Order: sequence, then structure tokens, then C-alpha cells
Amino acid sequence: EDQVTQSPEALRLQEGESSSLNCSYTVSGLRGLFWYRQDPGKGPEFLFTLYSAGEEKEKERLKATLTKKESFLHITAPKPEDSATYLCAVLGPGAQKLVFGQGTRLTINP
Amino acid sequence: GAVVSQHPSWVICKSGTSVKIECRSLDFQATTMFWYRQFPKQSLMLMATSNEGSKATYEQGVEKDKFLINHASLTLSTLTVTSAHPEDSSFYICSARGQGHGNTEAFFGQGTRLTVV
Repeated sequence: EDQVTQSPEALRLQEGESSSLNCSYTVSGLRGLFWYRQDPGKGPEFLFTLYSAGEEKEKERLKATLTKKESFLHITAPKPEDSATYLCAVLGPGAQKLVFGQGTRLTINP
Repeated sequence: GAVVSQHPSWVICKSGTSVKIECRSLDFQATTMFWYRQFPKQSLMLMATSNEGSKATYEQGVEKDKFLINHASLTLSTLTVTSAHPEDSSFYICSARGQGHGNTEAFFGQGTRLTVV
């Protein structure tokens, strides 16, 4: 069974303090690993798709990386507006539905 | 990314009535749509998966007669909560996946906050 575990559950940082969020996954054949950002009371916003180990993608202060067992979402010099819950999900072979982790609640203090 | 529009953003209904939530893909054809429910401070719970023109596949424990899903076109899916009760109050979110995005990426609507009084 496909599984996704995100850590930490919650993370508080000071503005400008860089850090990383972890997404560990177990899937028989990865078709894609996805990162989303979700603000309170909103639907998840798509950030990145990673398909194979070694792949990296960047968007503003965010950079996502992928290995065969985990993905990291690196946040460089975060700002308060980066505060949100970050969700990781995987899509397995032949599957239609995404398997989500529990998310990491990130708070950036000014 | 592609745009998925969900309507309404919030709705209040009386216990025993039905409420319909719409989910539209605005700039792509959604071959597959998903409906989720989310409780406070929890992750997304998949309720059902629907492919255009086919009956929805419901997750274990989700009452198909209570949560009616229709995916009659490549741009529209609806979720109808029938005979709503206060315990159905929740945040409902739709998601859509289309042919034009490598058939892997799924995009989400804004969500609908349902309150049953």
C-alpha cells in the first residue's frame, strides 16, 4: 500500500530562517510526487511535480528535490506570506487517486 | 497551473435539505475528478473518484446514496449532499485531472464550506 509521511507536523521559523520540510514515501512505482500549498479555508494550490530521483524544481523561495525514498521542500529566506500548510502526495502505477501525507503547518514569524 | 472553479464557496442549509456543489475545470478537459472532505487541521480525505460519463467510485465508508456525484461533461462535476445533517458540516474540495497535463497533475478548487443547521 502506498504511504506518505510528512515531517515535522508543524514548524515555526523566524523570517529569513531557511529550513526544509520532509516527505517520505513508499510506492511500488512512482508516477509522480506532488507538492501543494494550502492556506486556511482554501483548496490546495499546486506547486511542483517531481517524476524521478535527482530531479529538482524551484519557484521563488521554494525548491523541491526528490530521491528514491523521500522529497524535500527547501524554503530559503522565508517571509511571513509563506506561512501555510504544505502537502505532499504521490501517484502510484495504474492509480488514479493521490495518496497524501498529513501535511506540515509552517509558520513564519516576522 | 490549470484553473478549477468550485461553487459556492460557502453554503448554509437546513437539516434534511439537499445541497449541490459544482466543480468546473475552466481551461482544460477534466477526464477525472475527485471529491474530498477535510476536517479542521487534518489532511484531505478522498470521498470518491469520477471519470467523465461513468459512475463514481466511492471510498470505503462513504455513503453513495448520501453523496451523489455526477460527472456528465469534461468540464463539470457536481456533488449533491442529500438529506443533510449537522454531521455533514465540513469543508468539501474538488480536484480535477486532465489529458493536457501528462495525466498526473491534479488541480484543486477553492473549496466549499458547508454548514448544516
